[in-house]
Amino acid sequence: EAGVTQSPTHLIKTRGQQVTLRCSPISGHTSVYWYQQALGLGLQFLLWYDEGEERNRGNFPPRFSGRQFPNYSSELNVNALELEDSALYLCASSQGQVNTEAFFGQGTRLTVV
Amino acid sequence: TQLLEQSPQFLSIQEGENLTVYCNSSSVFSSLQWYRQEPGEGPVLLVTVVTGGEVKKLKRLTFQFGDARKDSSLHITAAQPGDTGLYLCAGRLGSARQLTFGSGTQLTVLP
Repeated sequence: EAGVTQSPTHLIKTRGQQVTLRCSPISGHTSVYWYQQALGLGLQFLLWYDEGEERNRGNFPPRFSGRQFPNYSSELNVNALELEDSALYLCASSQGQVNTEAFFGQGTRLTVV
Repeated sequence: TQLLEQSPQFLSIQEGENLTVYCNSSSVFSSLQWYRQEPGEGPVLLVTVVTGGEVKKLKRLTFQFGDARKDSSLHITAAQPGDTGLYLCAGRLGSARQLTFGSGTQLTVLP
């Protein structure tokens, strides 16, 4: 069974540009979570989608947004990129019930220059 | 303020030694998970603990969830170079579905 897959694996963007990252959850998982792992800052929660709806978001500005599609895959969009947005962006998926385990993809390394 | 404090932040030991990593909070977690992450890759789930006082063993790794569900520990017996990596604890606060992560413990096991 395929795990969580993310694309692209690496990306280089210029400050001010926009970027879209993609995530396909494990089959049968309805929840998708996005995290940012910047150097020295640990994993910070960005967004949680379940059944196509945004359920919660972390302490990030509105230029971080996303959506979840009917097949439960998800996109993370970041507008007006800043140098500090350089990080590993991780997607995780889980089943819909509370306290179910979350499994991560390999991440997308975004570098903003 | 970090909700989950992990210690130590860095640990370098010789092959064969034992070690313990701690994850502490002033908040109660409904569940807690331990992950191991290699450079440039996503975290890999090691274990989930849900019940206060719960102990789980995974080969040479022993995980414990505190009675009050505010703390956890990871003990590795006879560490091997293959255990090298970033160990992360992550918990769910109350009814929250997203995980709150600790800052991580970078473990290096020298041959």
